[in-house]
Amino acid sequence: GESVGLHLPTLSVQEGDNSIINCAYSNSASDYFIWYKQESGKGPQFIIDIRSNMDKRQGQRVTVLLNKTVKHLSLQIAATQPGDSAVYFCAENEGGADGLTFGKGTHLIIQP
Amino acid sequence: DVKVTQSSRYLVKRTGEKVFLECVQDMDHENMFWYRQDPGLGLRLIYFSYDVKMKEKGDIPEGYSVSREKKERFSLILESASTNQTSMYLCASSWTGGTGELFFGEGSRLTVL
Repeated sequence: GESVGLHLPTLSVQEGDNSIINCAYSNSASDYFIWYKQESGKGPQFIIDIRSNMDKRQGQRVTVLLNKTVKHLSLQIAATQPGDSAVYFCAENEGGADGLTFGKGTHLIIQP
Repeated sequence: DVKVTQSSRYLVKRTGEKVFLECVQDMDHENMFWYRQDPGLGLRLIYFSYDVKMKEKGDIPEGYSVSREKKERFSLILESASTNQTSMYLCASSWTGGTGELFFGEGSRLTVL
């Protein structure tokens, strides 16, 4: 069943603002988490990942935060640009053979 | 550059037709997956395979079958397409012993009339 969820199906932000996309997970045994970006008409693409022994990981303009106490994952995008408009999925690796478990996705809309 | 290639980006089929969706990966990954993606439902796993000729049912296997005759190729088959199988189909692969990261193809949008 669904063990990874997102708080908002749609998030609208002004261009240039920071975006925060949230995700809750329920399996405390998950040891690896990924954020994917899916642009319209394309397949999901890897953005950033984090292992369960870390709290924070930074990439270029993106930061992932992991709070294991409350089983919460977030993706922060700095200085949001029009090209950031997409659906963002969190996913967790519960260790099963059937791969990652995905959330339903948040559609990030960039307002000019 | 690693690549997962889905042979058809857009297909239109009629109810009752047999449909083949092909997926090829060039990363020598052991694991391959087929998902369907529908608005509001996210990604749902149809079938996966962890080795040649091996297959496992995912969450929604009904109405589908798969074939993995070669390591690099994983095919999804709709024996008799129905309108409720209109969807975006995504193929993915991963490496056994890795983090579990999935590499996705660009997707195949199937419309069944």
